Amino acid sequence: AQKVTQAQTEISVVEKEDVTLDCVYETRDTTYYLFWYKQPPSGELVFLIRRNSFDEQNEISGRYSWNFQKSTSSFNFTITASQVVDSAVYFCALSEAEGGSEKLVFGKGMKLTVNP
Amino acid sequence: EPEVTQTPSHQVTQMGQEVILRCVPISNHLYFYWYRQILGQKVEFLVSFYNNEISEKSEIFDDQFSVERPDGSNFTLKIRSTKLEDSAMYFCASSGARHVYNEQFFGPGTRLTVL
Repeated sequence: AQKVTQAQTEISVVEKEDVTLDCVYETRDTTYYLFWYKQPPSGELVFLIRRNSFDEQNEISGRYSWNFQKSTSSFNFTITASQVVDSAVYFCALSEAEGGSEKLVFGKGMKLTVNP
Repeated sequence: EPEVTQTPSHQVTQMGQEVILRCVPISNHLYFYWYRQILGQKVEFLVSFYNNEISEKSEIFDDQFSVERPDGSNFTLKIRSTKLEDSAMYFCASSGARHVYNEQFFGPGTRLTVL
């Protein structure tokens, strides 16, 4: 069964600090996809990144970076030099590609508060 | 930039009433989904829909729920007889292909409050 664990429930930092959001997943499939979504206070879900299980290359996009490690089943997300606008709930999600399922399985989310 | 839209943004209903939540997916998308998020909890999959039929549903999606694509643009979720525990944010999503090729784009959500 697929499962996503975000052990941290809430983090509070001061602006310009770096922060890493942890995500650990479980799946029996060898082909799967990992995602991060951002949910700002307005409530919508904003797609940030998708990673497939065959691509372990880390990715950087501006202040955001992602570290995918299959050996530890982790897909961690780092925000460098955090800003107040980064305050949101961040969800990690998993989708198994084998068996034809389309669903995203989300973690419980991690609330990030960036204080000025 | 194309986006998924949902109406209404907030729906208040009495227990036992039927509600219909509406979504307009991105116009050239083929795969449609409903998820829900009970306040303060994680987002949970309800149902996926492709080629005018349900392709997958969760255990949450019982006989009280149904989905429909009544025309070429709308995608609806109906709850036949609402319960208090149906109070949640309901998100519609769409993708242009199976997720292996495209991510799911989410709408802004409809907050359903059942009194």
